[in-house]
Amino acid sequence: AQKVTQAQTEISVVEKEDVTLDCVYETRDTTYYLFWYKQPPSGELVFLIRRNSFDEQNEISGRYSWNFQKSTSSFNFTITASQVVDSAVYFCALSEAFLGFGNEKLTFGTGTRLTIIP
Amino acid sequence: GAGVSQSPRYKVAKRGQDVALRCDPISGHVSLFWYQQALGQGPEFLTYFQNEAQLDKSGLPSDRFFAERPEGSVSTLKIQRTQQEDSAVYLCASSSRTGGFRYGYTFGSGTRLTVV
Repeated sequence: AQKVTQAQTEISVVEKEDVTLDCVYETRDTTYYLFWYKQPPSGELVFLIRRNSFDEQNEISGRYSWNFQKSTSSFNFTITASQVVDSAVYFCALSEAFLGFGNEKLTFGTGTRLTIIP
Repeated sequence: GAGVSQSPRYKVAKRGQDVALRCDPISGHVSLFWYQQALGQGPEFLTYFQNEAQLDKSGLPSDRFFAERPEGSVSTLKIQRTQQEDSAVYLCASSSRTGGFRYGYTFGSGTRLTVV
């Protein structure tokens, strides 16, 4: 069975500080996909990134960066120079690969509530 | 439309009442998902449609939950004889046949159901 663990329930940092959100996953699949979503107070889940299990290259997108390490089954998310608008709940999620037909169901972690203090 | 639209935004139901939650996916998206998000938890998969076919309903918690997508576009999640444990946010997501695999899913803002 698949499982995603986000051990940090809540994090608060002062604006402009860097912050890392941890994600550890479990799966027996050799091919799988990892996601990060942001859930602002409005409730919708906003897609941030998707990585497949064969691509361990770290990725940077503006102030966001992701560190994927298969050896430790982790997919951590770092926000550099945090801003108040980054305040939200962040979810890490895992899906098994299914040949691209778009029906991969996601297994989510319990989320990390991030508060950026101005 | 430009995004996934869900209605109503909020629903209060008396225990035992039947409810129907609506999802309008992005036009042309063939895949549609329903998730249930309890307070303080991550979303949990309920069911999946590809066009009008319900290909996976393994996450539906009981036979009181029923979902349909008769014309392959709008979907309705129906809960019969609601109970307090059904209180949650119900999220709908859609993806294109080829895009969802690469770009994730587009989620709606959800329907917050409160059973009193």
